[in-house]
Amino acid sequence: NAGVTQTPKFRVLKTGQSMTLLCAQDMNHEYMYWYRQDPGMGLRLIHYSVGEGTTAKGEVPDGYNVSRLKKQNFLLGLESAAPSQTSVYFCASSYDRLGQVYFGPGTRLTVL
Amino acid sequence: DQQVKQNSPSLSVQEGRISILNCDYTNSMFDYFLWYKKYPAEGPTFLISISSIKDKNEDGRFTVFLNKSAKHLSLHIVPSQPGDSAVYFCAASGNSGYALNFGKGTSLLVTP
Repeated sequence: NAGVTQTPKFRVLKTGQSMTLLCAQDMNHEYMYWYRQDPGMGLRLIHYSVGEGTTAKGEVPDGYNVSRLKKQNFLLGLESAAPSQTSVYFCASSYDRLGQVYFGPGTRLTVL
Repeated sequence: DQQVKQNSPSLSVQEGRISILNCDYTNSMFDYFLWYKKYPAEGPTFLISISSIKDKNEDGRFTVFLNKSAKHLSLHIVPSQPGDSAVYFCAASGNSGYALNFGKGTSLLVTP
């Protein structure tokens, strides 16, 4: 039981490049989330999904897209990376709204 | 607009003493509150939670108190241990939302 895994762990991009962050969970959770953590800003919700095939915007969705084609996977895409997207990205999942939220180990992304 | 506020960015406590971390919220629709602990280079991990129908929840050395009228909750750690040194995030959710709202975190340092 691996819990929530994220790929890659680190990445450096140049401005304008694109990339996809992959999140996988093996707990059969319905809800999945992408957060970003910046110094002094806490954890801010980018996008979330309440089930396979569904996605919704969170607090800071601009510049990101997501897809939930399979229940166990939640992908976060950056179409044209900007330095403001330099951050640590956390994926998380939960069984339902009141269920414990489990976080992945994070992806540290630097955009030059 | 930050709906969950942790006004103390940092706290230093001696080993064996009590650590008290505070959190305020503005949204009266929040009905479920959680504390997460985060070590550097790791994802946040669940610590303790409380439903709005309770005013106290205890788990070993950790106790969370909820004061609904003041829209305030606090986490008490007794006795504090050096291994408790981490960033603590307060989070809340309400029945009108599907994801947790996080505070900016409080960095706790427990000194020997």
